[in-house]
Amino acid sequence: EPEVTQTPSHQVTQMGQEVILRCVPISNHLYFYWYRQILGQKVEFLVSFYNNEISEKSEIFDDQFSVERPDGSNFTLKIRSTKLEDSAMYFCASSSQPVLAGETQYFGPGTRLLVL
Amino acid sequence: AQSVTQLGSHVSVSEGALVLLRCNYSSSVPPYLFWYVQYPNQGLQLLLKYTSAATLVKGINGFEAEFKKSETSFHLTKPSAHMSDAAEYFCAVRNQAGTALIFGKGTTLSVSS
Repeated sequence: EPEVTQTPSHQVTQMGQEVILRCVPISNHLYFYWYRQILGQKVEFLVSFYNNEISEKSEIFDDQFSVERPDGSNFTLKIRSTKLEDSAMYFCASSSQPVLAGETQYFGPGTRLLVL
Repeated sequence: AQSVTQLGSHVSVSEGALVLLRCNYSSSVPPYLFWYVQYPNQGLQLLLKYTSAATLVKGINGFEAEFKKSETSFHLTKPSAHMSDAAEYFCAVRNQAGTALIFGKGTTLSVSS
């Protein structure tokens, strides 16, 4: 069964460093998403991406964050200068149609980011 | 505004007992509602979803949920718990634009023998 994959599974970085989290969505999906979950808190939406541009972003997704689909398979989340409060589990998701159509989002296993 | 409240961060049941995980939502548009499960070290997996068809929705692994508009609820149930059901369960509602999901805080289900 096709699945969303994410690398790395864990990443430790120093405050102020740049990190890139990578995702490979399901191959025929067109809609891509990033969510995060700070320990003990809700899963929070960060950004949705379609047709090579951001369709929506939350207030969390500030200028420190960017997303890119550099090739036909990868979808990346970059944090330019990490802060302690960026420590969280980051989930990538993809879907063949938007949520508006009632379509299921398929999630990857997450990347645990720890900022020291 | 859209929001989800999951009552009970931790629910414990005995094997064979009824599982009831509560979810209440707030939505300014007709809601689409989802239940996801997360097993340790795995991603979120869809259990079931409501997208304005039948109000009683059946999902995988014997779970079902009933959409009750009057109560703004979408509680998840399973008649008989199994040890393998131990996991974290998330309820979610679509956002107003239909471009993302808004999640609750999750409920950890423990099953004892």
